[in-house]
Amino acid sequence: AQSVAQPEDQVNVAEGNPLTVKCTYSVSGNPYLFWYVQYPNRGLQFLLKYITGDNLVKGSYGFEAEFNKSQTSFHLKKPSALVSDSALYFCAVRVAGYNFNKFYFGSGTKLNVKP
Amino acid sequence: DAGITQSPRYKITETGRQVTLMCHQTWSHSYMFWYRQDLGHGLRLIYYSAAADITDKGEVPDGYVVSRSKTENFPLTLESATRSQTSVYFCASISRGSTDTQYFGPGTRLTVL
Repeated sequence: AQSVAQPEDQVNVAEGNPLTVKCTYSVSGNPYLFWYVQYPNRGLQFLLKYITGDNLVKGSYGFEAEFNKSQTSFHLKKPSALVSDSALYFCAVRVAGYNFNKFYFGSGTKLNVKP
Repeated sequence: DAGITQSPRYKITETGRQVTLMCHQTWSHSYMFWYRQDLGHGLRLIYYSAAADITDKGEVPDGYVVSRSKTENFPLTLESATRSQTSVYFCASISRGSTDTQYFGPGTRLTVL
């Protein structure tokens, strides 16, 4: 079965420090990987995606993620956290070649950035 | 305004009642989705639609019905609401031929008493 795991329910980091939000996946086939962010009482907003090519993907608001095929991971990173980055982050995967209903989301990680 | 909208944003209903959640998008995207968001589960797909009059079940379809007579609208109906359907519901869409980026609506918070 296809699945996505976000092992940390919450990540706490001080403003200005680097942040990492972890994501691992398990799929049979080539993965398309995504990160979304959700602010309170809002829908999910797209941050970045990996489809093919360079393993390091850069996205919105200074975020980046690295696709690691051997470790089946797609961790979200940012060199210097801002208080405004505090939100709920979701990793998602779709398997290449499958129908569009085959999106799988992680359970989400709450990022707290403290001043 | 262009985009994807959901109505109502908040709804309280009673067990056994029928409830319809509306989703409207102005992009003419082919694919539309309904998810529910529950603590500890992330987002789970309820139904999706590839085009008008084409729908298919997702991971958790029981107790829900969808229709799509027009490309821009994708209503979700709870035929007889249960307390377990208390959740936040999100609608999303993707343009045909895109590289899979989903655009989400603001969500509907449904409480079933």
